[in-house]
Amino acid sequence: GDSVTQMEGPVTLSEEAFLTINCTYTATGYPSLFWYVQYPGEGLQLLLKATKADDKGSNKGFEATYRKETTSFHLEKGSVQVSDSAVYFCALSDINDYKLSFGAGTTVTVRA
Amino acid sequence: KAGVTQTPRYLIKTRGQQVTLSCSPISGHRSVSWYQQTPGQGLQFLFEYFSETQRNKGNFPGRFSGRQFSNSRSEMNVSTLELGDSALYLCASSLPQGTTNEKLFFGSGTQLSVL
Repeated sequence: GDSVTQMEGPVTLSEEAFLTINCTYTATGYPSLFWYVQYPGEGLQLLLKATKADDKGSNKGFEATYRKETTSFHLEKGSVQVSDSAVYFCALSDINDYKLSFGAGTTVTVRA
Repeated sequence: KAGVTQTPRYLIKTRGQQVTLSCSPISGHRSVSWYQQTPGQGLQFLFEYFSETQRNKGNFPGRFSGRQFSNSRSEMNVSTLELGDSALYLCASSLPQGTTNEKLFFGSGTQLSVL
């Protein structure tokens, strides 16, 4: 079945550092790929998405490119802020599957 | 526009009891999904409803059930609670088309503790 593997955490960074979280997937079809973020005490929020190969999703300075050849969707941000401290989840969904398959989540802490 | 509302926010039950959790989606959203979040298993899909019909179900025992009403509100029920059912239960809703390419809006969850 479909599955997502993402980089183990936790990750601790200093402000303005470069962040990358690796995500690879296994899917039988042509899935859509997502990054969701969960801030402390809150539900998940969609950060960005990509629906086909070579698409780049971007939001709030975060970017991820759908790489079909490497089955990857790595999340990057060039300069993190303390407010980026959260848990980040990579996820995929096959069309008409009506569900998301999530990675284990990566906890990111940014220190001032 | 109000977000996804889940009630109650916290719940404490004992083994063997049953529990019902409620979810009110964003107005106009007809698809509602449920997920279980635990430190050990992460986020796991429970089920998805669209226009009162269950379209997909995750790999959970029959003790976990759900339903959706005509106003799109949804409930999930867990019978004969076990310690391992302790988790954060998240509800999410999405736009009328109901395909998973749509953005999911998550509630803050119901934290269930089984003693």
